[in-house]
Amino acid sequence: RKEVEQDPGPFNVPEGATVAFNCTYSNSASQSFFWYRQDCRKEPKLLMSVYSSGNEDGRFTAQLNRASQYISLLIRDSKLSDSATYLCVVSGGGADGLTFGKGTHLIIQP
Amino acid sequence: SQTIHQWPATLVQPVGSPLSLECTVEGTSNPNLYWYRQAAGRGLQLLFYSVGIGQISSEVPQNLSASRPQDRQFILSSKKLLLSDSGFYLCAWSVERGRFFGPGTRLTVL
Repeated sequence: RKEVEQDPGPFNVPEGATVAFNCTYSNSASQSFFWYRQDCRKEPKLLMSVYSSGNEDGRFTAQLNRASQYISLLIRDSKLSDSATYLCVVSGGGADGLTFGKGTHLIIQP
Repeated sequence: SQTIHQWPATLVQPVGSPLSLECTVEGTSNPNLYWYRQAAGRGLQLLFYSVGIGQISSEVPQNLSASRPQDRQFILSSKKLLLSDSGFYLCAWSVERGRFFGPGTRLTVL
């Protein structure tokens, strides 16, 4: 089983819709979780951390399910500018203490 | 505020040529610094990390090397590039939760 798995997509979603995607992780000892956003040919940028109780930032909601070992990202009222690749990052594993997923590609269509 | 610089932004090099990519950070002292590579269709791969001047840990044995001559400077080098060295090279430093990435260098080896 891969350490961090994401559906690569692409997810094609109409503007204004709600979209959600998950990321599963294998290291049960992981303590920190993040979602990064990466635009085409740009560097990844931290979108939000994921807290145990779940957290919200505007239209974005992140949740953690430790029992099933997955995190999720929900985007409400999606905008064209939300089109990007979303990387799931989990602590533990890797020499630098972080394991990156390969990303989920999201395309918001007008 | 903290910023991270990388140059050049893009680079096209012939096989067998040398390489030098530079990364500098501002607004922080004694940061942990990292070099990652992102190849097409693949996730982020940790290449090197450094916890201080002259301290380099290598994660991927290959024809690349790294050096940290100053606290806020991290250099990635190669004596002879291979086709497989093509990719998007990202310098990063640790933040309290996660990583902050530089703008990256897109390297094409022909």
